[in-house]
Amino acid sequence: SQQGEEDPQALSIQEGENATMNCSYKTSINNLQWYRQNSGRGLVHLILIRSNEREKHSGRLRVTLDTSKKSSSLLITASRAADTASYFCATDGGNEKLTFGTGTRLTIIP
Amino acid sequence: EPEVTQTPSHQVTQMGQEVILRCVPISNHLYFYWYRQILGQKVEFLVSFYNNEISEKSEIFDDQFSVERPDGSNFTLKIRSTKLEDSAMYFCASSDSALGGELFFGEGSRLTVL
Repeated sequence: SQQGEEDPQALSIQEGENATMNCSYKTSINNLQWYRQNSGRGLVHLILIRSNEREKHSGRLRVTLDTSKKSSSLLITASRAADTASYFCATDGGNEKLTFGTGTRLTIIP
Repeated sequence: EPEVTQTPSHQVTQMGQEVILRCVPISNHLYFYWYRQILGQKVEFLVSFYNNEISEKSEIFDDQFSVERPDGSNFTLKIRSTKLEDSAMYFCASSDSALGGELFFGEGSRLTVL
């Protein structure tokens, strides 16, 4: 399977609920990042977590990293309609390039 | 806020034609990248560029592809002889650090090969 796989592939929740997306990867990493992509637009960096960190917060975002399980999760609290987008994790695999996962398509229902 | 800009936003071309996609990275960034995303699929790495040379490239980046930084501000991706399967969104990105630093992406150039 691919480096960086998110699940679920698609998630629909009511506005105000929390959304949790998961990412698994295969190789060693220096850090893991989460990006957001609105339909047909470029990717926007959300948060970076280093391999020696276990949890990081930024506003309504909370990211966890478990290097022993090679997995990460992104939690968006108190979701808003504007959070509707695709969310990708990306890993560096110890080199320059970022490898992106398959993405989770999040739909927030007003 | 500084941003990465890409032109054109959409290009339609005939199979076999040459295409050049242009990018202006953020001015103080030193690392430059091209990624592509076929409709509905994952974002795939094509090439990274640093110090006026390719630092890494993927299997997708064959001899039909080339990159150039002709004038210190633009960063271009050339596809010499386009194929139908080159139809995709092409994203340029730049970074001020290597080894998995934050990437700043442009809005993309949609290439349609007929």
